[in-house]
Amino acid sequence: EVQLVQSGAEVKKPGESLKISCEASGYSFTSYWIGWVRQMPGKGLEWMGIIYPGDSDTRYSPSFQGHVTISADRSISTAYLQWSSLDDSDTAMYYCARHEGGSSSWLDYWGQGTLVTVSS
Amino acid sequence: DIVMTQSPDSLAVSLGERATINCKSSQSVLYSSNNKNYLAWYQQKPGQPPKLLLYWASTREFGVPDRFSGSGSGTDFTLTISSLQAEDVALYYCQQYYGTPPYTFGQGTRLEIK
Repeated sequence: EVQLVQSGAEVKKPGESLKISCEASGYSFTSYWIGWVRQMPGKGLEWMGIIYPGDSDTRYSPSFQGHVTISADRSISTAYLQWSSLDDSDTAMYYCARHEGGSSSWLDYWGQGTLVTVSS
Repeated sequence: DIVMTQSPDSLAVSLGERATINCKSSQSVLYSSNNKNYLAWYQQKPGQPPKLLLYWASTREFGVPDRFSGSGSGTDFTLTISSLQAEDVALYYCQQYYGTPPYTFGQGTRLEIK
């Protein structure tokens, strides 16, 4: 059974760094792209970027490029989303999701989400 | 970037009636070499992650009830729920996955019971 299990909720202050995780199981982690999607409170879904764990090829939405970093550790089948300096506008639910086949494909399995709250 | 625009923003339909949600892309998401529309639909219930309903604009994901159907091509697409059930109350999103990233979502449509 394919599963994506995300790390728990985080409460941070502006300017702090953060790294959240998404542990995959039930499939070959290195053979599928994994993406990250943001959902700000009461708002819609925003596609942030993707990584191919097989070779760490990473693509970002221009809206998020330079503000977040996506990475993966093949040895533990885990993808990451990290910030070096959070601000209030990063308060959101963040989902990881698997791209079914190739980067240009739909998202077939989703993590449960990680709620990030940034507040002074 | 391809902009996805859904209509309406919210919709109230009686139980057993048909619900129709539209999605328009700012450029065609039909890939001529394989004649496939690079468009997916998702359902999101409160407190849950999105769930894939349809891909290639009209192919149902395994386990999705057949009351959900998708149609359209190029830039204009429709999600239809043929007979609304109480459990269909949710937010619905379209997403294009054409070409190079970003693979943008529509703004969402809220579906409620009338």
